[in-house]
Amino acid sequence: EVQLVESGGGLVQPGGSLRLSCAASGFTFSSYWMRWVRQAPGKGLEWVANIKEDGSEKYYVDSVKGRFTISRDNAKNSLYLQMNSLRAEDTAVYYCARGLVGDWGQGTLVTVSS
Amino acid sequence: DIVMTQSPDSLAVSLGERATINCKSSQSVLYSSNNKNYLAWFQQKSGQPPKLLIYWASTRESGVPDRFSGSGSGTDFTLTISSLQAEDVAVYYCHQYYGTPPYSFGQGTKLEI
Repeated sequence: EVQLVESGGGLVQPGGSLRLSCAASGFTFSSYWMRWVRQAPGKGLEWVANIKEDGSEKYYVDSVKGRFTISRDNAKNSLYLQMNSLRAEDTAVYYCARGLVGDWGQGTLVTVSS
Repeated sequence: DIVMTQSPDSLAVSLGERATINCKSSQSVLYSSNNKNYLAWFQQKSGQPPKLLIYWASTRESGVPDRFSGSGSGTDFTLTISSLQAEDVAVYYCHQYYGTPPYSFGQGTKLEI
């Protein structure tokens, strides 16, 4: 059974940093693109970033370029999202997901507020 | 960047009746070399993560009831629920994953009984 478990969310002040983690199990992690998708409270879904199987290609939505970094550790079956210079508009539930359209985790809430 | 627009924003359908949700992309998501439309549909129930229903515009994900179907090609797509059940109340999103990112979602359609 595919499992994706996000962690690392919480309350952070504007301008601060957080690192999200996603622990994957139940599939061959190193064989899949992975992605982060977020959802602001009461709003729709927004694709945030993708990373290729070996980490050699990374893509971001314009609003996070230069502030967020997606990475992975295939030896640890883990996906990460380093978030710097956080803004109020980054407040959302962040989902880790497999492949281009596949399985999603339960999400972790990031709140940016003073 | 490709913009996805869904219609309607919300709809109410009686139990057992057909529900139809439309999705239009600002440019084609059909990849000519493999004749695949890079378009998926997700269902999100309250308080839950999204669930994949349909990919390649018309391929039903394993375990998804056959009352759900996807159709369309190029820039115009439709999700149809043939006979609405109470458990189908949710927000539905279309999603394009064509070519090199960025990828994008429609704004969502809220389906009620």
